[in-house]
Amino acid sequence: EVQLVESGGGLVQPGGSLRLSCAASGFTFSNSWMHWVRQGPGKGLVWVSRINIDGSSTWHADSVKGRFTISRDNAKNTLYLQMNSLRVEDTAVYYCARGRLVASGGGFDPWGQGTLVTVSS
Amino acid sequence: DIVMTQSPDSLAVSLGERATINCKSSQSVLNSSNKNNYLAWYQQKSGQPPKLLIHWASTRESGVPDRFSGSGSGTDFTLTISSLQAEDVAVYYCQQYHSMPYSFGQGTKLEIK
Repeated sequence: EVQLVESGGGLVQPGGSLRLSCAASGFTFSNSWMHWVRQGPGKGLVWVSRINIDGSSTWHADSVKGRFTISRDNAKNTLYLQMNSLRVEDTAVYYCARGRLVASGGGFDPWGQGTLVTVSS
Repeated sequence: DIVMTQSPDSLAVSLGERATINCKSSQSVLNSSNKNNYLAWYQQKSGQPPKLLIHWASTRESGVPDRFSGSGSGTDFTLTISSLQAEDVAVYYCQQYHSMPYSFGQGTKLEIK
């Protein structure tokens, strides 16, 4: 079964740090571009970060650039999101998702169940 | 950056009736070399992650009922549910994957009238 499982969310104070993990199984992780997408309480989907297959190329949304870092460990089939200098507005459910090859149609599939990050004092 | 705008924000349709959701991109998402529109539709039910329904603007994912269809090209796209079922209650999002940063529409909440 193709599956992504996030972990690492929780309550953190403004200015704090958190590292999210996303464990992949059921597909060849090392051949897959990966993404983080977040969803604030009652809000829509917002793309956050992307990483290529070997980690040599990353892209972050302007809202998190310089504070968040996406990385991966292909030996462990795991994707990470290091979040520093957290702000109240970073409060959201964070999803990891596989970016399908355009030759296969593109889009994000599958998605994990998400992990909740709450930034509050 | 490409901005995706959906309309309406919410929609109430009777069971068995047609539901139509629109999505407009601020720039074309048509790839001129392969003639594919880099546009996807997702369904998100309450408490669940999004589910990919349609890619390339009009190609249904395996297992998606044929009452769901996508159309459009360039900057204007439509998701149509031909005969609304109770299980279709959800928020629907369009997404462009033509250019980084990839972007989503704000979502359309679909309810039963």
